[in-house]
Amino acid sequence: GAVVSQHPSRVICKSGTSVKIECRSLDFQATTMFWYRQFPKKSLMLMATSNEGSKATYEQGVEKDKFLINHASLTLSTLTVTSAHPEDSSFYICSAPSGIDEQFFGPGTRLTVL
Amino acid sequence: GEDVEQSLFLSVREGDSSVINCTYTDSSSTYLYWYKQEPGAGLQLLTYIFSNMDMKQDQRLTVLLNKKDKHLSLRIADTQTGDSAIYFCAESPSGGYNKLIFGAGTRLAVHP
Repeated sequence: GAVVSQHPSRVICKSGTSVKIECRSLDFQATTMFWYRQFPKKSLMLMATSNEGSKATYEQGVEKDKFLINHASLTLSTLTVTSAHPEDSSFYICSAPSGIDEQFFGPGTRLTVL
Repeated sequence: GEDVEQSLFLSVREGDSSVINCTYTDSSSTYLYWYKQEPGAGLQLLTYIFSNMDMKQDQRLTVLLNKKDKHLSLRIADTQTGDSAIYFCAESPSGGYNKLIFGAGTRLAVHP
């Protein structure tokens, strides 16, 4: 099946720094990718829809300036957590649709902000 | 509004069947999914069902959909220790190209 990768898988950073997370579709092209955030023992919450060649669409309550999304090519979307704070610590997961009825998820990136 | 609900925990004995239940609110959902998440890993699509179906079977997995009651279930036959994971129910109003609305996940624990 289709493969989606994320990099890095784990990152620890100091408060106030910015962290970039990459999401790649390895064997298919994706004009749309989705970024989710998962809190411990909670569901995945959609943060934004990344659109190749245009601005991302953010869900209500998600700060656009805090979570910068860039969909530079048909196989790459990046999420940058700017000026990270401990409350941004979470598991970030991206997904990309392949075909009409299926999305493939990346393995996730665990962000820890000290 | 959009909301998906699941029970949070299920414990079964190895070899028994597991049934994980889910309710959703968006009657326009065209696809309903079951994903599996193992510790520290991403989500793995287990199976999905189109809204005009009421049952789908795939090896040890059986999905039942009651569209009238907006109820979805996943039955795992002959549950094994390797099935221990968190299972997420998700709905998609317009299919795979659209966002997915997830339940909170059901943690399945399989014991000897």
